[in-house]
Amino acid sequence: QKEVEQDPGPLSVPEGAIVSLNCTYSNSAFQYFMWYRQYSRKGPELLMYTYSSGNKEDGRFTAQVDKSSKYISLFIRDSQPSDSATYLCAMRAEFHKGNKLVFGAGTILRVKS
Amino acid sequence: ETGVTQSPTHLIKTRGQQVTLRCSSQSGHNTVSWYQQALGQGPQFIFQYYREEENGRGNFPPRFSGLQFPNYSSELNVNALELDDSALYLCASSPPGLVGDTQYFGPGTRLTVL
Repeated sequence: QKEVEQDPGPLSVPEGAIVSLNCTYSNSAFQYFMWYRQYSRKGPELLMYTYSSGNKEDGRFTAQVDKSSKYISLFIRDSQPSDSATYLCAMRAEFHKGNKLVFGAGTILRVKS
Repeated sequence: ETGVTQSPTHLIKTRGQQVTLRCSSQSGHNTVSWYQQALGQGPQFIFQYYREEENGRGNFPPRFSGLQFPNYSSELNVNALELDDSALYLCASSPPGLVGDTQYFGPGTRLTVL
């Protein structure tokens, strides 16, 4: 079983729809959670960084963490064709001298105009 | 402010060869992490460099090695290339503070092994 599970999609929605992207994880030691957006043939771009349970909002994006269920979500309001990309969830994992990121496989999102 | 840069953009090698990939950190960042992203997968942690030393490694064999230079730039070296090494190699830099906390990625180097 992978530490982080993410539905690969693709998820196809019409422009203006609300999008919900989700990840589950198995390691209860994860405390910090991130969402990255990756356009085709590009590097991941940090969208949201959250700590502990609760919601964090940034413009059209809302990140939600439920540590009791080991479940995180990213909501995109008023989705645009420019939001079409792969969305990666990531968890920060500590090791002795630093931190690494453990990623889900990514969900492909297509927003149709 | 310049972001993370990587070179080359694309590379084609044959099985058994050696390759060196390069990364320049974002200005002011002192930690570099390397990841391998196979097609259709999320990035997998290879190793992290801080103060010119490897301070953590993922589940990759010793033929994957690296360096960090005094200006915080970094290299990833892969010896005895295998077909499965074909992937997008990503470098991420992190600002001073908690080592490897927030990571900002470069555009990646796409390696094809034939």
